[in-house]
Amino acid sequence: NAGVMQNPRHLVRRRGQEARLRCSPVKGHSHVYWYRQLPEEGLKFMVYLQKENIIDESGMPKERFSAEFPKEGPSILRIQQVVRGDSAAYFCASSPGGNQYNEQFFGPGTRLTVL
Amino acid sequence: GNSVTQMEGPVTLSEEAFLTINCTYTATGYPSLFWYVQYPGEGLQLLLKATKADDKGSNKGFEATYRKETTSFHLEKGSVQVSDSAVYFCALSDSGANSKLTFGKGITLSVRP
Repeated sequence: NAGVMQNPRHLVRRRGQEARLRCSPVKGHSHVYWYRQLPEEGLKFMVYLQKENIIDESGMPKERFSAEFPKEGPSILRIQQVVRGDSAAYFCASSPGGNQYNEQFFGPGTRLTVL
Repeated sequence: GNSVTQMEGPVTLSEEAFLTINCTYTATGYPSLFWYVQYPGEGLQLLLKATKADDKGSNKGFEATYRKETTSFHLEKGSVQVSDSAVYFCALSDSGANSKLTFGKGITLSVRP
């Protein structure tokens, strides 16, 4: 009865490096959402994906950030050339198709620290 | 666009005290409303939800009623416990299926023995 899995739980990168965050949704869920939580703030929506498709990326910065959810394997949030301002907790959530009331199930998060 | 406003924190209470955490929202259409709880170092867990006006969500002694006339979804508990210490987030979803969530800033609750 695995929930949403995220790894790594903690990630440290130096400025200019790449960060790759992985998310495995609840088994059977085909919808994945990524959110970012900055210190002392609530979660902010970044991107919504279904298998192999980006549905809504309105919350994702245009530069350096990308996301994918391939047919096989986990969803990946990729941050290129990280900067200190990228330090945050990144949460993934999943939901089943036809989720009329939009209940989402969250993973434990990846805490990214940029030195 | 949609927005959620939570009361300023943090909140510190003694065990068995009554809890109210205010939440108001701005949205078009008919959003679903949620309270999520985040324990230290963990992800968010759904605490309760309400999907239409006048619905009352409840779980673990917590309650919240969807008030469309006041656009509010205040969280209440009659008697808090030390184990309730956590960060509480109010959230809403856009109308329509599989929509993103919009969160309030969250409020930290500390309950002392």
